[in-house]
Amino acid sequence: QVQLQESGPGLVKPSETLSLTCTVSGGSVSSGSYYWNWIRQPPGKGLEWIGYFYSSGSTNYNPSLKSRVTISVDTSKNHFALKLSSVTAADTAVYYCARDDPGYGSSWSFWGQGTLVTVSS
Amino acid sequence: SYELTQPPSVSVSPGQTASITCSGHKLGNKDVFWYQQKPGQPPVLVIYQDTKRPSGIPERFSGSNSGNTAILTISGTQAMDEADYYCQAWDSFTAVFGGGTKLTVL
Repeated sequence: QVQLQESGPGLVKPSETLSLTCTVSGGSVSSGSYYWNWIRQPPGKGLEWIGYFYSSGSTNYNPSLKSRVTISVDTSKNHFALKLSSVTAADTAVYYCARDDPGYGSSWSFWGQGTLVTVSS
Repeated sequence: SYELTQPPSVSVSPGQTASITCSGHKLGNKDVFWYQQKPGQPPVLVIYQDTKRPSGIPERFSGSNSGNTAILTISGTQAMDEADYYCQAWDSFTAVFGGGTKLTVL
């Protein structure tokens, strides 16, 4: 059973770059055909999909964030990463990493516990 | 951009049936997924591809999708079902969530 765990700074200054990693255990980021996703949730608000890295090497991002987002995979560390540049207070959120389960369509069965990132000076 | 609309809140008495709607343009032509989220926890998939239940999800959870509306139905609602529920679909390779519905069991 694959498990995901987010990590990274809990506080980021405005205009800087938010960087998070999602460590994968019980599986490999380099095996299979999976979508490795980032999803966020501002405090008290709903879910917003950020984007994914597909096992083939392709990426796809939410158009509303596309100019600021990069999702990449590091196979040597068995993790995937999120970078979000030029952050503002509106980027304050719990950030989740998630992976699909091909048996359940294009949905997300595997989630990390989430990590809160606050954007503040 | 594509939008999914959910009622902010739904209330139901224990043992009764709760219905949560999700509306979007020609939503019936898309696969709809439903997630349950309890406070401080990540979402859990409860319905995929409109009507299917993942392993481990109780039979009281069911879904439908036709026209412009998808519906999540919880039959015989239990106190443990109190949570936020989000519908989700894909549009032009972009994942879109509804705003979420807070289900209160009282």
